[in-house]
Amino acid sequence: QVQLVESGGGLVKPGGSLRLSCAGSGFSFSGYYMNWIRQAPGKGLEWVSYISSSGSTTHYADSVKGRFTISRDNARNSLYLQMNSLRAEDTAVYYCARVVTTVNNVDYWGQGTLVTVSS
Amino acid sequence: QSALTQPPSASGSPGQSVTISCTGTSSDVGGYKYVSWYQQHPGKAPKLMIYEASQRPSGVPDRFSGSKSGNTASLTVSGLQAEDEAEYYCSSYAGSNNVLFGGGTKLTVL
Repeated sequence: QVQLVESGGGLVKPGGSLRLSCAGSGFSFSGYYMNWIRQAPGKGLEWVSYISSSGSTTHYADSVKGRFTISRDNARNSLYLQMNSLRAEDTAVYYCARVVTTVNNVDYWGQGTLVTVSS
Repeated sequence: QSALTQPPSASGSPGQSVTISCTGTSSDVGGYKYVSWYQQHPGKAPKLMIYEASQRPSGVPDRFSGSKSGNTASLTVSGLQAEDEAEYYCSSYAGSNNVLFGGGTKLTVL
């Protein structure tokens, strides 16, 4: 069965960096676009970034552009999100999610990893 | 780009039907058929319920249906059941590889 497992979340100070990972299994990872989507505590969903199946195309929400970098290693069935210059407003549960048909259409989600930005 | 507009809450009694709206603009909801709906129970990851405005993934009960007219998409839950109580989010493709979500609607089964 399809599984997505995020890791790498934690507490980081404002201005700091963190790298999230997502391990995919149960499907042909290299054949799918992937998203990072986040959810601040008690708030709604916010799309963060997507990456094409080959990794050649990426796109970011304005709120993270220039600070976050999405990447993938298809040989390791893994997705990454490098987060730099973190701000308090980046505090959220970060989900990796498998894209089908269009970038807003996600059929499988991981359970999420919590990132807390606080001094 | 602003988030899509959803009512913060909706409710209905078991067996009834309830409809949740999602309003955007001609640049997102009105411009594409790519509207999705997600159900999220507390502490859980979201689950895809509707895609391309009205298509239901396999395994989703046919009590859930979607539609779109102009800049507004709607999710209708018929024959409400207790397990339908959850937060529901709409999402739309917004062009140039951008994605918008609605603010979420908390559905309460009375």
